[in-house]
Amino acid sequence: DTGVSQDPRHKITKRGQNVTFRCDPISEHNRLYWYRQTLGQGPEFLTYFQNEAQLEKSRLLSDRFSAERPKGSFSTLEIQRTEQGDSAMYLCASSGTPISYEQYFGPGTRLTVT
Amino acid sequence: SQQGEEDPQALSIQEGENATMNCSYKTSINNLQWYRQNSGRGLVHLILIRSNEREKHSGRLRVTLDTSKKSSSLLITASRAADTASYFCATDDPSNTGKLIFGQGTTLQVKP
Repeated sequence: DTGVSQDPRHKITKRGQNVTFRCDPISEHNRLYWYRQTLGQGPEFLTYFQNEAQLEKSRLLSDRFSAERPKGSFSTLEIQRTEQGDSAMYLCASSGTPISYEQYFGPGTRLTVT
Repeated sequence: SQQGEEDPQALSIQEGENATMNCSYKTSINNLQWYRQNSGRGLVHLILIRSNEREKHSGRLRVTLDTSKKSSSLLITASRAADTASYFCATDDPSNTGKLIFGQGTTLQVKP
């Protein structure tokens, strides 16, 4: 068990560019969550998967955001046509079954849009 | 949207002192959790308290829950410089998706 990993750790991009982040959850965990955290705030829920099914998306997830979890393993979060307001820390977390409320977080991807 | 508020927003104490952080929430819950976040890092789970529990201990941590007041507190006893971090309370979503709703956090600084 190597924990939840995220890649990249940091991403600097110009406004209008597309970016993609990857999350590798703990292997036996079937639930995977994405959160966004801005400076001085707590994380805010974006979306979650149970196995490969995306079961809920927050209103924060505009049409420019898309997330996938093919085969129920790793997940990707893509942001198209980035805006400066997308600058934030993007956190991934996983949890196991039966429902385990405790979530294991990755180190996060820090996105800076210039 | 944030679940509620944490109080205080920032706390500075000397090593060896106790630190108390409070959290309020808005909706009914199944459980409440506390997480720690070191600067620029991911969150680490500290402790979970269920809605039918009133108090829970884990090492130097003591958590209380008052569901009638929709509030919780985290007490760190005999603080250490390594406890310097941000602390967040999180409640589960009533729809049982497992997603967490976080407070805004308390930033704790423990001076050696």
